[in-house]
Amino acid sequence: SQTIHQWPATLVQPVGSPLSLECTVEGTSNPNLYWYRQAAGRGLQLLFYSVGIGQISSEVPQNLSASRPQDRQFILSSKKLLLSDSGFYLCAWSPADVQYFGAGTRLSVL
Amino acid sequence: GEDVEQSLFLSVREGDSSVINCTYTDSSSTYLYWYKQEPGAGLQLLTYIFSNMDMKQDQRLTVLLNKKDKHLSLRIADTQTGDSAIYFCAEQSGTSSNTGKLIFGQGTTLQVKP
Repeated sequence: SQTIHQWPATLVQPVGSPLSLECTVEGTSNPNLYWYRQAAGRGLQLLFYSVGIGQISSEVPQNLSASRPQDRQFILSSKKLLLSDSGFYLCAWSPADVQYFGAGTRLSVL
Repeated sequence: GEDVEQSLFLSVREGDSSVINCTYTDSSSTYLYWYKQEPGAGLQLLTYIFSNMDMKQDQRLTVLLNKKDKHLSLRIADTQTGDSAIYFCAEQSGTSSNTGKLIFGQGTTLQVKP
């Protein structure tokens, strides 16, 4: 069966520090992968999606970047975090028409 | 542009039925989804419906789709305290089928009182 892993679960980082969040999917190949941010427990904002290795589409201009170095690995990064980067970050994968979500990473930038 | 709207809050008593409503604007939607999010957790897929269907039932869950009015609803029968969560409606546009991109509503917080 397929599973999705995100880590870390919780992260507290100072302003100006770098960020790396990792997401991996097991039990499938060539999935579509997605990074979302959820602010204040409300709606989801799609940040990036990828339909294949090295293929990244950005939905909104921001302080973050994404990479897909391997088929089932999706990384969200920042060189210098801002206070506004705080939020709940969710990774998702899709085999076709349904998205399955990871448990999320709670990021607090102080 | 594409938009999905939901009411923000619903409160019901345990044992009653809950109905969560959603409207969307994209007439080319192919699939519509309901997700559940418990506090501090990721989103759990509850059910989804293809746009050529009017209704889908899965145990205590019933999804109704009115494509003419672009209205989707989720009915939870015999609501339990464990159903307390945020429920998200989402749609996949026909123009996004190759990327699988979804448009989410803001979520409806369901409060179940004992």
